[in-house]
Amino acid sequence: QFVLTQPPSVSGAPGQRVTISCTGSSSNIGAGFDVHWYQQLPGTAPRLLIYRNNNRPSGVPDRFSGSKSGTSASLAITGLQAEDEADYYCQSYDSSLSALWVFGGGTKLTVL
Amino acid sequence: EVQLVQSGAEVKKPGESLKISCKGSGYSFASSWIGWVRQKPGKGLEWMGIIYPGDSDSIYSPSFQGQVTISADKSISTAYLQWSSLKASDTAMYYCARLQHDSYGVMSGVSYFDFWGQGTLVTVSS
Repeated sequence: QFVLTQPPSVSGAPGQRVTISCTGSSSNIGAGFDVHWYQQLPGTAPRLLIYRNNNRPSGVPDRFSGSKSGTSASLAITGLQAEDEADYYCQSYDSSLSALWVFGGGTKLTVL
Repeated sequence: EVQLVQSGAEVKKPGESLKISCKGSGYSFASSWIGWVRQKPGKGLEWMGIIYPGDSDSIYSPSFQGQVTISADKSISTAYLQWSSLKASDTAMYYCARLQHDSYGVMSGVSYFDFWGQGTLVTVSS
């Protein structure tokens, strides 16, 4: 069971916009802790996609954006491309005793 | 260029010991926290623990405390993850990743994993 909840899968056609949600609680996202997003292409290691809620590392296209509100966060991808097909994970910090650095269960994005 | 290079895939039997490594380059290895993350086949990411190579201070996830040992040798810019007695349930891909944080410290609630190793696949089977 993952502390942060993500939908198992989302899909969209090329050129469309999709969003991936990440729902937490008062001990993580709701406590004001930042949310970060990772992209994991098939057979590769995760890579940082969005950090501190809405910042993109160098090299990440501006088609990717993040937002946070209350106990949830979202990753939006516009102008969907075939190369975006991957697993996406959110991550935050948790102040409870379960774990400190927590991930969502991951969302598989399929480009139709 | 920041790089984390992990040791190669391992195939072990239950009860055997194992130590895998993660060598950092392109940044001040001793001054940055390094974390280990487990990914079981077809599953999500799980944080295992972190270590500060400068003084070997470490923090473990309760789920992994006592199950693994995280260590580091700053003289050779390498972090390690080890098991004393492997189980079949330890079969997974293991990633090391640098933990980036702000000036308030690693537990300020803003930290994230900015660079990742390529992963080490550990297979435990009789």
